[in-house]
Amino acid sequence: NAGVTQTPKFRVLKTGQSMTLLCAQDMNHEYMYWYRQDPGMGLRLIHYSVGEGTTAKGEVPDGYNVSRLKKQNFLLGLESAAPSQTSVYFCASSSSYNEQFFGPGTRLTVL
Amino acid sequence: GEDVEQSLFLSVREGDSSVINCTYTDSSSTYLYWYKQEPGAGLQLLTYIFSNMDMKQDQRLTVLLNKKDKHLSLRIADTQTGDSAIYFCAEIAYSGAGSYQLTFGKGTKLSVIP
Repeated sequence: NAGVTQTPKFRVLKTGQSMTLLCAQDMNHEYMYWYRQDPGMGLRLIHYSVGEGTTAKGEVPDGYNVSRLKKQNFLLGLESAAPSQTSVYFCASSSSYNEQFFGPGTRLTVL
Repeated sequence: GEDVEQSLFLSVREGDSSVINCTYTDSSSTYLYWYKQEPGAGLQLLTYIFSNMDMKQDQRLTVLLNKKDKHLSLRIADTQTGDSAIYFCAEIAYSGAGSYQLTFGKGTKLSVIP
């Protein structure tokens, strides 16, 4: 099993550009999450999903959209990137409310 | 809202014990977690404790939970250089519609001096 994978690993965008981050899990987990990690801020939840076709807002959802068209995939979109969205993005999945499995992260820089 | 607090840095000598402390606010949390993040990597679950337990031991790791003071600690015995990482405390809370969310502390960076 690959666990949780994220694509791409690194990306540099210009302000105003758009992009989609892909998260995939092969553990048949119902729950999936997108977090951002900033220095001194810990991890903050952006959006999450409790099952295929459902999404919900987390702590810091503004400027992001998500979709969960397939159970194994959770996409995070930035429609118009801003420098404040420079961060490391982590995806996670879980089968219940217990252990979350994390991907390796995507380092995004917005110039 | 929920808040999880932990000190940002800890430095110990190799072979000594490390104790990382955490306080949380949500008394209804059913599970509390410790995650480890090595440089350039994602988070890895180290251990967790159910809220009706006071202590959990797993090899070199000991978790202590004081529910009255809402205080959680992680003790690493015989700390090794490979233990150098950022350690995150997290609590789980029900967020409605059958879903639960983790709230993370800001992380404690453990540096092990050879």
